Amino acid sequence: ETGVTQTPRHLVMGMTNKKSLKCEQHLGHNAMYWYKQSAKKPLELMFVYSLEERVENNSVPSRFSPECPNSSHLFLHLHTLQPEDSALYLCASSQDRGLQEQFFGPGTRLTVL
Amino acid sequence: AQSVAQPEDQVNVAEGNPLTVKCTYSVSGNPYLFWYVQYPNRGLQFLLKYITGDNLVKGSYGFEAEFNKSQTSFHLKKPSALVSDSALYFCAVRDLKTGNQFYFGTGTSLTVIP
Repeated sequence: ETGVTQTPRHLVMGMTNKKSLKCEQHLGHNAMYWYKQSAKKPLELMFVYSLEERVENNSVPSRFSPECPNSSHLFLHLHTLQPEDSALYLCASSQDRGLQEQFFGPGTRLTVL
Repeated sequence: AQSVAQPEDQVNVAEGNPLTVKCTYSVSGNPYLFWYVQYPNRGLQFLLKYITGDNLVKGSYGFEAEFNKSQTSFHLKKPSALVSDSALYFCAVRDLKTGNQFYFGTGTSLTVIP
């Protein structure tokens, strides 16, 4: 499979659950990103990993915990979320330190009950 | 501060007519500008980018964009709209001075009316 894949595509969870989102890129890129997309709002950058090190963390609550075990995989661990965390979570990758565009996965639609 | 503005939430255009989706930007250094399209239940797909060189950039699906430094704009255009162009369009800017971050606009929903 090519490009950027994300699993699951849809997730419904209660506020006390623990779940993880997975992203995998098959493009040989060395930077990966998590974004949150909510209606009528700009894409919110959550985390950036470059060469498997976290380089950006935009004041994201600690109930979101990223993990990047290697340059092809990125996880977002979720625990004790709030209903306002319901959104589309997008993963992207790019070649760091270049002028290349980002490639996005299809997203995970998260609903927190 | 780096930012992107898309002043129109919604653009409607008749099929076959030219379309324009507006974008203005603010960066501290040289702007590197991008357009993406998002179809329902899909991630963002890259359309085109401006790095340097000609101000008119051509991209996928017949889209083009014009970089205007004096007006700090990067409007997306297409000479003849198709119904299948109906989607959500995002403008983004990258400022290498601030690292790896891409700054996205709020998006413009384009509807092409048959």
